[in-house]
Amino acid sequence: NAGVTQTPKFRILKIGQSMTLQCTQDMNHNYMYWYRQDPGMGLKLIYYSVGAGITDKGEVPNGYNVSRSTTEDFPLRLELAAPSQTSVYFCASKTGGAIQETQYFGPGTRLLVL
Amino acid sequence: AQSVTQPDIHITVSEGASLELRCNYSYGATPYLFWYVQSPGQGLQLLLKYFSGDTLVQGIKGFEAEFKRSQSSFNLRKPSVHWSDAAEYFCAVGADSNYQLIWGAGTKLIIKP
Repeated sequence: NAGVTQTPKFRILKIGQSMTLQCTQDMNHNYMYWYRQDPGMGLKLIYYSVGAGITDKGEVPNGYNVSRSTTEDFPLRLELAAPSQTSVYFCASKTGGAIQETQYFGPGTRLLVL
Repeated sequence: AQSVTQPDIHITVSEGASLELRCNYSYGATPYLFWYVQSPGQGLQLLLKYFSGDTLVQGIKGFEAEFKRSQSSFNLRKPSVHWSDAAEYFCAVGADSNYQLIWGAGTKLIIKP
């Protein structure tokens, strides 16, 4: 199993550009998450999904969109990039909704918006 | 408000020395507690978790953590660190009443040869 994979690993965007961060998991997990990690801060939840076709906002959803058309894929879309979106983005997945279940993380995408 | 505090941004430890990383939480409900590790260039990996039973929890890579309800703490320990333990360590807390984990800011562990 590859686990959770993310592409790209690193990207530089200009203000106002758009991009999609890709996330794929091959563990048949129902739950998937997008986090951002800023220096000196804990992970902040952007969006999450409990299954194909179902998504919901997390703590910091503004400026982002997601979709979940398949169990495996959970892309994160930035429509109008802003410097405040400079961060490291992590995708994670887990089997079900119980809070004690382990989340499995991808390696992250480092995004710089200039 | 719910929160997780990791008081130490950086900790430097000599190889072979013991380690304790601190985690304090503020959470009204019965907490589930987690420690994750992030090695350079990699995603986070679960080290251990606590949700009931024995308050001393054993994890992978020789780590353990102790839940102390009276102190609202869940400190991570290792008796003898190895150079490969150099990483960033995150504490997180959750509850049945919430759908997401609350994460600490992380502690970066530096190992001196």
